[in-house]
Amino acid sequence: GEQVEQRPPHLSVPEGDSAVIICTYTDSATAYFYWYKQEPGAGLQLLMSVFSNVDRKEEQGLTVLLNKKDKQLSLNLTAAHPGDSAVYFCAVSSNTGGADRLTFGKGTQLIIQP
Amino acid sequence: NAGVIQTPRHKVTGKGQEATLWCEPISGHSAVFWYRQTIVQGLEFLTYFRNQAPIDDSGMPKERFSAQMPNQSHSTLKIQSTQPQDSAVYLCASSLPDYAEQFFGPGTRLTVL
Repeated sequence: GEQVEQRPPHLSVPEGDSAVIICTYTDSATAYFYWYKQEPGAGLQLLMSVFSNVDRKEEQGLTVLLNKKDKQLSLNLTAAHPGDSAVYFCAVSSNTGGADRLTFGKGTQLIIQP
Repeated sequence: NAGVIQTPRHKVTGKGQEATLWCEPISGHSAVFWYRQTIVQGLEFLTYFRNQAPIDDSGMPKERFSAQMPNQSHSTLKIQSTQPQDSAVYLCASSLPDYAEQFFGPGTRLTVL
């Protein structure tokens, strides 16, 4: 089945710098790609979703890049601030017909140093 | 919109007891998913309903775990004879059936002593 590797597991950057998280997936039929943010004691907050026909998507200081050739998905947080400190997860889904199970990466603990 | 509601937020059971976890999806969302989160295994899919019908339960442990969706406004995950290894955060998510984005509840932290 689908497998997703996420790196790095831990990332610490100074406030104002950029942070990059990368996921690699295995199934070439993967159609949907997501980034979630999880703060302590909370559920998963959907940050961005990307369909497989999109290579780049930018929203509110976040950039998602999708490289289907290398089966790689990345999240770039520009000008990070302390409120961005959290655990970030990538997730993928193969079903092009709508709702289906998600396969997650192991997560990246991001710390923004004030 | 209240978002996905999960109750209780925390549950402590003794080994061998039963635990029932509740999920109320976002109004209008007819796809409901259950996931389990642990430090070691990360986020694992358990089971999924669409229009109250079970679609995929391939992630459910074969024994002691069961899930139901008796109506469109709630789903339950039941664990019988709980074991310490069942300790985890159980997350429920919902989505529109023809739209893949899933929205998660805050989770239920289950601790089995």
